[in-house]
Amino acid sequence: DGGITQSPKYLFRKEGQNVTLSCEQNLNHDAMYWYRQDPGQGLRLIYYSQIVNDFQKGDIAEGYSVSREKKESFPLTVTSAQKNPTAFYLCASSKLIAASTDTQYFGPGTRLTVL
Amino acid sequence: AQKITQTQPGMFVQEKEAVTLDCTYDTSDPSYGLFWYKQPSSGEMIFLIYQGSYDQQNATEGRYSLNFQKARKSANLVISASQLGDSAMYFCAMREGPGRGSTLGRLYFGRGTQLTVWP
Repeated sequence: DGGITQSPKYLFRKEGQNVTLSCEQNLNHDAMYWYRQDPGQGLRLIYYSQIVNDFQKGDIAEGYSVSREKKESFPLTVTSAQKNPTAFYLCASSKLIAASTDTQYFGPGTRLTVL
Repeated sequence: AQKITQTQPGMFVQEKEAVTLDCTYDTSDPSYGLFWYKQPSSGEMIFLIYQGSYDQQNATEGRYSLNFQKARKSANLVISASQLGDSAMYFCAMREGPGRGSTLGRLYFGRGTQLTVWP
């Protein structure tokens, strides 16, 4: 079945550690996105990528890094520079057609907790 | 300024009744798309319905319909015949039109409305 997978589902990190969240899609989508969700909040865009080996900062990129070496994969690293990383992280992908109809589809999310 | 505003933090509806979730948006782009997503307690965002700015008719998908009032910049989600499984967080989102270079594809989300369906 086509879809987006994220792993792990739950992740615990000690302060000062970097952690990497995995996102893989087999929808043959060109664009991929990372969002952060805090309780009672909407989604905020961290990074997005429209093509392999290229990515753009979103609204809250500080303390995060990404790579896009393969079309299917867009891992997110939460670095020790991120002051408040405890949150729910969602990955999405879309075909990136040049029209407002381009729909993003989401993975199941990773819940990160800093101990 | 907020691009998407959802003014109802929580809504309650009885099973089998209809409910309307409000969404207003702000854009100067004549071409845009409006989306609604459902987020159950499991966390996954589920795409429900889409409305394009040039669409003449309101979008419908099964029990979901979108009450699109362009002049008022509102795109309210109507759920008919509510079911217990409709209890979830609902998000309205907007994508501005094509040809915007590096911002192509990004969505702007509202803060969501928590819908509770009671028996």
